[in-house]
Amino acid sequence: GENVEQHPSTLSVQEGDSAVIKCTYSDSASNYFPWYKQELGKRPQLIIDIRSNVGEKKDQRIAVTLNKTAKHFSLHITETQPEDSAVYFCAASGYSTLTFGKGTMLLVSP
Amino acid sequence: GAVVSQHPSWVICKSGTSVKIECRSLDFQATTMFWYRQFPKQSLMLMATSNEGSKATYEQGVEKDKFLINHASLTLSTLTVTSAHPEDSSFYICSATGLLDYSNQPQHFGDGTRLSIL
Repeated sequence: GENVEQHPSTLSVQEGDSAVIKCTYSDSASNYFPWYKQELGKRPQLIIDIRSNVGEKKDQRIAVTLNKTAKHFSLHITETQPEDSAVYFCAASGYSTLTFGKGTMLLVSP
Repeated sequence: GAVVSQHPSWVICKSGTSVKIECRSLDFQATTMFWYRQFPKQSLMLMATSNEGSKATYEQGVEKDKFLINHASLTLSTLTVTSAHPEDSSFYICSATGLLDYSNQPQHFGDGTRLSIL
């Protein structure tokens, strides 16, 4: 089955800095890669997703890049704000269900 | 759009009790629903996938007789934790999609249920 590795597990940045979270996947058949943000005790919220026919997607301060050859994808958050502090999960799916990474706790200090 | 409601949000009960959790899609027909379990500071672990009107597909290691899933309508799925014990204490989250081909579509999550077994 699919295996998703996510790094780093914790990321601390100053407000205004950029944050990058990286994920790798194992199944070359995977073609859908969403990113979720989860605040403590709350539901995961989809923040951006990308499909395998696209190499990059951007939505305001958030962007995702995908390298299918290397089987890795990354989340980029620019101009971070304290409210960006949360746990971020990457995920991948192909012909089956979503497999999640272990999460990255992002801490943005004012 | 794509709102998923989950109830209850918090349950505390004695060991041996059975607990039912409901997951409803409010503004779309959820042909496929998923149940996850999340332990503190860990990722979401898929327990089972259910399609309306058919038996749920359980992930390896998940006891189907302990975690009963019913997806009787296009807007409602239930998870019943039977004879719950302290080790079943966790955060249970459902998600739903409105498509049978869910492999490359976003899942919409409920608010989760925090289950504490004393």
